[in-house]
Amino acid sequence: DTGVSQNPRHKITKRGQNVTFRCDPISEHNRLYWYRQTLGQGPEFLTYFQNEAQLEKSRLLSDRFSAERPKGSFSTLEIQRTEQGDSAMYLCASMVIGGITEAFFGQGTRLTVV
Amino acid sequence: AQRVTQPEKLLSVFKGAPVELKCNYSYSGSPELFWYVQYSRQRLQLLLRHISRESIKGFTADLNKGETSFHLKKPFAQEEDSAMYYCALGTGANNLFFGTGTRLTVIP
Repeated sequence: DTGVSQNPRHKITKRGQNVTFRCDPISEHNRLYWYRQTLGQGPEFLTYFQNEAQLEKSRLLSDRFSAERPKGSFSTLEIQRTEQGDSAMYLCASMVIGGITEAFFGQGTRLTVV
Repeated sequence: AQRVTQPEKLLSVFKGAPVELKCNYSYSGSPELFWYVQYSRQRLQLLLRHISRESIKGFTADLNKGETSFHLKKPFAQEEDSAMYYCALGTGANNLFFGTGTRLTVIP
């Protein structure tokens, strides 16, 4: 286990298509976060899971976005009917349970909607 | 609502000069503050957290609750410090919010 892994690293899709990203956290980490980062901005919180429970969702997360963590291990983030404004870097981070500790980030998935 | 403000998008200093990256926060609860760093072509990683009160790579940061600030400081900047720096706020709901970041460039 070498850290948080995200796949794919890059995704180019046509507007209106659906895309799905995967995040594999560090194995003993119970908490998993999704962020979106656009050029010149910091990571913007989207949602987070504690084990398989989705505990919080940002208002940024429109109904076209859905995230799952079915067995409390890996997570997927799906965007339906993509729009050009969805183009961004999508980051995943994991953390051990017990307050706010160090978040370990993946390399991210860069989405380009054309 | 919680908010993290980093007023400087870009900061350039000469090697050996002191550096200070500013961070202010807004949060009604008891905050936990962090600095994360992203070096070129690397993933975002933790630099330091206020609760640890430690110096990492010569950097320190003091939480000032009166001024709601958590500025990052280093007395003598090095070229390898050039990177993107993000201030982050941890909340009681175990969430983590980031500022917009400051790109530090250390000029040789």
